[in-house]
Amino acid sequence: DVKVTQSSRYLVKRTGEKVFLECVQDMDHENMFWYRQDPGLGLRLIYFSYDVKMKEKGDIPEGYSVSREKKERFSLILESASTNQTSMYLCASSLAGLVGETQYFGPGTRLLVL
Amino acid sequence: DQQVKQNSPSLSVQEGRISILNCDYTNSMFDYFLWYKKYPAEGPTFLISISSIKDKNEDGRFTVFLNKSAKHLSLHIVPSQPGDSAVYFCAARGILTGGGNKLTFGTGTQLKVEL
Repeated sequence: DVKVTQSSRYLVKRTGEKVFLECVQDMDHENMFWYRQDPGLGLRLIYFSYDVKMKEKGDIPEGYSVSREKKERFSLILESASTNQTSMYLCASSLAGLVGETQYFGPGTRLLVL
Repeated sequence: DQQVKQNSPSLSVQEGRISILNCDYTNSMFDYFLWYKKYPAEGPTFLISISSIKDKNEDGRFTVFLNKSAKHLSLHIVPSQPGDSAVYFCAARGILTGGGNKLTFGTGTQLKVEL
């Protein structure tokens, strides 16, 4: 079974803090993704990565950065947290190539920025 | 610009009846469509998918129908069970637009199956 784990289930941070969200997958997947889920907006892609050291902007990258130093780990960084970044953050991974369309998700991190 | 739309935020059906969840899309370059199910406090899990070259795919109680001319897909659950109560997201992939494995998700439909 594919397992995607996220470092925290719940986080409370203050405006202006630097926030790190960690994601680890154990299935040697090439692709990794960060989404945020908000009511009425569904899942929106923040950043994704096709390989180590590679990153691509998703639909809403502003205010975020990512790091992928190892294949199994993909980090999302909020450089200076703001209240509008309060959300559920979901990490996912998938195999490379056209057959890798199924993405496997972690349990999510609910972030509250005060 | 919402390229994948689920116009019904919620749906309530009785146990044993059919649940029909709908999804519309605007980008004709999408080539693969998926449905994910999400329980509270868990990540979404893959449910069923369909390629754009097909119009139907069935897996047990779940069937997905694709109408390319209408840019519409639907998920049918028969018979519906209380354990099916969850949020359902449709998603689409656009290889030819350079999307690779990137998925565009809809806004979700909360399904409640009542006893």
